[in-house]
Amino acid sequence: GAVVSQHPSWVICKSGTSVKIECRSLDFQATTMFWYRQFPKQSLMLMATSNEGSKATYEQGVEKDKFLINHASLTLSTLTVTSAHPEDSSFYICSARNGGSFNYGYTFGSGTRLTVV
Amino acid sequence: LAKTTQPISMDSYEGQEVNITCSHNNIATNDYITWYQQFPSQGPRFIIQGYKTKVTNEVASLFIPADRKSSTLSLPRVSLSDTAVYYCLVGDPPQAGTALIFGKGTTLSVSS
Repeated sequence: GAVVSQHPSWVICKSGTSVKIECRSLDFQATTMFWYRQFPKQSLMLMATSNEGSKATYEQGVEKDKFLINHASLTLSTLTVTSAHPEDSSFYICSARNGGSFNYGYTFGSGTRLTVV
Repeated sequence: LAKTTQPISMDSYEGQEVNITCSHNNIATNDYITWYQQFPSQGPRFIIQGYKTKVTNEVASLFIPADRKSSTLSLPRVSLSDTAVYYCLVGDPPQAGTALIFGKGTTLSVSS
């Protein structure tokens, strides 16, 4: 079945540094990928829609200059958290649609736990 | 996507059947009902999807009454490993550029 690989699974960084998270579709091409953020005991919150070869679309309230998204190929999207601060500590999850019309065809990565110290 | 309402939490014991009901009064004609499962520190995983009546797979059953204004996810004989958050989503199989929007979900806790 469709697999989305997300890396790293966890990362600790110092305040003020940048962190890159990768999301790869392993066995299908994804022209569109989605990035979510999830705080403890809360639901997934959509941050942005990543489009291959074009600029990402950010949800209201999400700083595009802080959360840089690059979707340079049909199988890879990256999220870079720039100048990270402790309040950016969260669980980040990517998702891609594998083209199936049934079950919506969405596959999720395993998530990245970011801790900013 | 149609607005959904589901219980915030449920408790159960191993071996019991668990039924989680989701209300979706404003469901549209073209909407499907889909359930996802999320374990701690993991991404959501598709469980089951249906349009009407009953759907069953190796993991769960989904019961949808004729008016489709609610649905019930049924997990037979739960085990400790079924402890997770369960999300009910309702919508038309969207175009490729549309993201899934998650509600609060139901936290199921299974005890021994």
